[in-house]
Amino acid sequence: AQKITQTQPGMFVQEKEAVTLDCTYDTSDPSYGLFWYKQPSSGEMIFLIYQGSYDQQNATEGRYSLNFQKARKSANLVISASQLGDSAMYFCAMREGALIGANNLFFGTGTRLTVIP
Amino acid sequence: DAGVIQSPRHEVTEMGQEVTLRCKPISGHDYLFWYRQTMMRGLELLIYFNNNVPIDDSGMPEDRFSAKMPNASFSTLKIQPSEPRDSAVYFCASSTDRRTYEQYFGPGTRLTVT
Repeated sequence: AQKITQTQPGMFVQEKEAVTLDCTYDTSDPSYGLFWYKQPSSGEMIFLIYQGSYDQQNATEGRYSLNFQKARKSANLVISASQLGDSAMYFCAMREGALIGANNLFFGTGTRLTVIP
Repeated sequence: DAGVIQSPRHEVTEMGQEVTLRCKPISGHDYLFWYRQTMMRGLELLIYFNNNVPIDDSGMPEDRFSAKMPNASFSTLKIQPSEPRDSAVYFCASSTDRRTYEQYFGPGTRLTVT
């Protein structure tokens, strides 16, 4: 089974509007972390936001927020007030297990976001 | 602060040749990861190190691939002999022992094997 599932290959959003990128995960470990990365056309991977499995509140970083629904095993990324520079591939990833010795990330297949002027 | 440094940024080689990719992690980071990204398979973890010791190499596709980390500031990924199906972007990433363990990625090496 896939550990990270991103069901939206592509998404379009009007500039200045908000957009939600979906991510569901699969793990039986009670301790895990969820990440979102952005990959613009230039190719680099940019860390955006992190949510720990025991965190009580949803993570926020500027215009990025993570809608964490633990019971549904979903960790959707919300980008508010979209900008043209937000056009990129977005990857959801998960680290599972104990913090020591289990630090690898499992990545989803990504969602390509296009912001329309 | 310098980020993760990878070299070369682009490599074009002929099938059968040896290829060596290089990575310098962020100073102070004690985890180093090698990933491969292709259109077909997405982003795959190949191997990762903790304190220069390989922890998990189960993602290394076959014996043609090898990785070393002789010290805390340098790692190599070697493919010998290279094949056209090895064409991909290879990323190096590093992280450290913090609450979140977010990984910082290098710019990647785009490898083309003809």
